[in-house]
Amino acid sequence: AQSVAQPEDQVNVAEGNPLTVKCTYSVSGNPYLFWYVQYPNRGLQFLLKYITGDNLVKGSYGFEAEFNKSQTSFHLKKPSALVSDSALYFCAVTSGGGADGLTFGKGTHLIIQP
Amino acid sequence: DTGVSQDPRHKITKRGQNVTFRCDPISEHNRLYWYRQTLGQGPEFLTYFQNEAQLEKSRLLSDRFSAERPKGSFSTLEIQRTEQGDSAMYLCASSVYMGTGPTEAFFGQGTRLTVV
Repeated sequence: AQSVAQPEDQVNVAEGNPLTVKCTYSVSGNPYLFWYVQYPNRGLQFLLKYITGDNLVKGSYGFEAEFNKSQTSFHLKKPSALVSDSALYFCAVTSGGGADGLTFGKGTHLIIQP
Repeated sequence: DTGVSQDPRHKITKRGQNVTFRCDPISEHNRLYWYRQTLGQGPEFLTYFQNEAQLEKSRLLSDRFSAERPKGSFSTLEIQRTEQGDSAMYLCASSVYMGTGPTEAFFGQGTRLTVV
């Protein structure tokens, strides 16, 4: 069975400061990791993914994430937060072993304060 | 807009009634997924199709749930004899599978089901 933990229900960051949204995972086999963002009344939007290769992956809107195999983590980061980054962020994992059904975390509310 | 579209956006039904939702994926996408999301939780995987073949079903998908993708294009999700516990947002997503590992899925805005 695979699982994702997002230990923080909410993260508060001042505009212009760096932000980190934490994610740890558990999966049998090689992990394929994703971050999605959900704005109110809008569908989930893909931000970035780790499949293989460089541990630091870059995605949309200036976000990046670092894959750490030893710590089974895939934290989302951004060097300078914008108020418009305020949203609900989901980390997801699959092992890809025949099925690509994603297992999502509970989500983290990111609030950027002006 | 040529994204994933779902219909209806909202559905209120009485307990015991049957409901059917439709999903139209992005046209060139060969994989289609159904998820369910309840308040305060992340989406939970229900089932997925590759073209018209249903390849996996979650244990969450009870016998009252059935999904089809008859021509490998749109899909329907039917819930029979709805229960209050079925109240949730039902999300559809699609992706391109090229045999080299998972690719990102694109999600629709969902159908919000309320069972009263």
